[in-house]
Amino acid sequence: AQSVAQPEDQVNVAEGNPLTVKCTYSVSGNPYLFWYVQYPNRGLQFLLKYITGDNLVKGSYGFEAEFNKSQTSFHLKKPSALVSDSALYFCAVRDRNSGAGSYQLTFGKGTKLSVIP
Amino acid sequence: DSGVTQTPKHLITATGQRVTLRCSPRSGDLSVYWYQQSLDQGLQFLIQYYNGEERAKGNILERFSAQQFPDLHSELNLSSLELGDSALYFCASSVGGVSPLHFGNGTRLTVT
Repeated sequence: AQSVAQPEDQVNVAEGNPLTVKCTYSVSGNPYLFWYVQYPNRGLQFLLKYITGDNLVKGSYGFEAEFNKSQTSFHLKKPSALVSDSALYFCAVRDRNSGAGSYQLTFGKGTKLSVIP
Repeated sequence: DSGVTQTPKHLITATGQRVTLRCSPRSGDLSVYWYQQSLDQGLQFLIQYYNGEERAKGNILERFSAQQFPDLHSELNLSSLELGDSALYFCASSVGGVSPLHFGNGTRLTVT
């Protein structure tokens, strides 16, 4: 079974400061990892993914995430937060060994990011 | 715009009723996924179809069923509705593999 934990329900950060949204995962094999963002009354939008290779992954809107296999973590980061980054952020995982043709993701419960002007 | 279309946007119905939610995937995407989002349960995977065939099943109740048609659109049928079924239902599509899921804007179901 695969699972994702986002330990913080809410993260508050001042505009211009760096932000981190935490994520840890559990899979039986090696993971594929994703971050999504959800704005009010909208569906989830893809930000970035880790498949293989470089542990630091860069994505949309200046976000990046670092894969740490030993800590089973995939924290989302941004050097300088914007008020417009305020949204709900979801981490997701898929086991590389999941069944053929089975591509569903397991999501964390989400972290609400508030960037304060 | 993700390219995934869900209808209707809102649905209000009474307990015991049956509703159908519809999803049109992005052009070229063969996989369709259904997720339920509620405040207490978060995003729960319900079911996945790939080119018309069921590929994976999650926490989907027996009262719920889905199908994917030859034109690749999908429908989620919810029957004998209960108050606890009130939630946002999302459809997502992908080409498969490690490509990201693209989500529609959801159908908000309210059961009264």
